[in-house]
Amino acid sequence: GAGVSQSPRYKVAKRGQDVALRCDPISGHVSLFWYQQALGQGPEFLTYFQNEAQLDKSGLPSDRFFAERPEGSVSTLKIQRTQQEDSAVYLCASSSAVKNSPLHFGNGTRLTVT
Amino acid sequence: QKEVEQNSGPLSVPEGAIASLNCTYSDRGSQSFFWYRQYSGKSPELIMFIYSNGDKEDGRFTAQLNKASQYVSLLIRDSQPSDSATYLCAVNILNRDDKIIFGKGTRLHILP
Repeated sequence: GAGVSQSPRYKVAKRGQDVALRCDPISGHVSLFWYQQALGQGPEFLTYFQNEAQLDKSGLPSDRFFAERPEGSVSTLKIQRTQQEDSAVYLCASSSAVKNSPLHFGNGTRLTVT
Repeated sequence: QKEVEQNSGPLSVPEGAIASLNCTYSDRGSQSFFWYRQYSGKSPELIMFIYSNGDKEDGRFTAQLNKASQYVSLLIRDSQPSDSATYLCAVNILNRDDKIIFGKGTRLHILP
C-alpha cells in the first residue's frame, strides 16, 4: 500500500472490554513497531517485529497487552480487560530494513476507555 | 538518565529566525538518529535522519550529530509559522535490541 494503515481510527471501549487494533504496514517492510502516545508525551515503545518474529515486547505495560504478526505483514495489538489508563493513541510504524531505517507512521488509533 | 532527552519547551522563535532544537542520548553505540515533526492530533512525520558525525542539510533543515558528546540537534532556518509543532528526536538503542526510542519532544512556537 501507499502508506501504513491503521484501523479503527477511533475506538471507545467500556472498562473491562477487550479491543483489537490493526496495523497494515507498507508492503515489503520488514520491521513493524507499536508505540503508545499519551497526550503531551512522546511515543513510548511497546513492542516490535522483524517479519513475523517478535523481537522485543519489553514495553508492553502488562500481560493484558498482546501483539502478533503471524504472516510477517499485518499486525494486531490486543488489549484485554481495558482500563482507563490504557486511553492513549496507539501508533504503528514500519521500516524497510532490519536496521537503521527511518520509521513511517500510520495515522494511529485513538483509544478512549470509559 | 533517560535514553533520549529533550527539553519539552515551549521554545518560542520569531518568524524568520533560526530555531535550534537539541537532543541527548545515553547509548554510546547508537548509530541512527531521526527527527520527526508532529502537529497536534497528527502522527509523526520524518524530517531528517543522520548516521554520521557532522552536519546534514536538507532545505531549511540541518541536522547536526556529535557522537562524542552524545547529542544531536536540528536547526530550522528562516522559521515559518507552519513550523510550529512538536519535534521528536528518535535514536536506535543498541543495548535494547536496536529499538528506536523517542524523546518526549520539544514544542516549537514560531511567533508571526
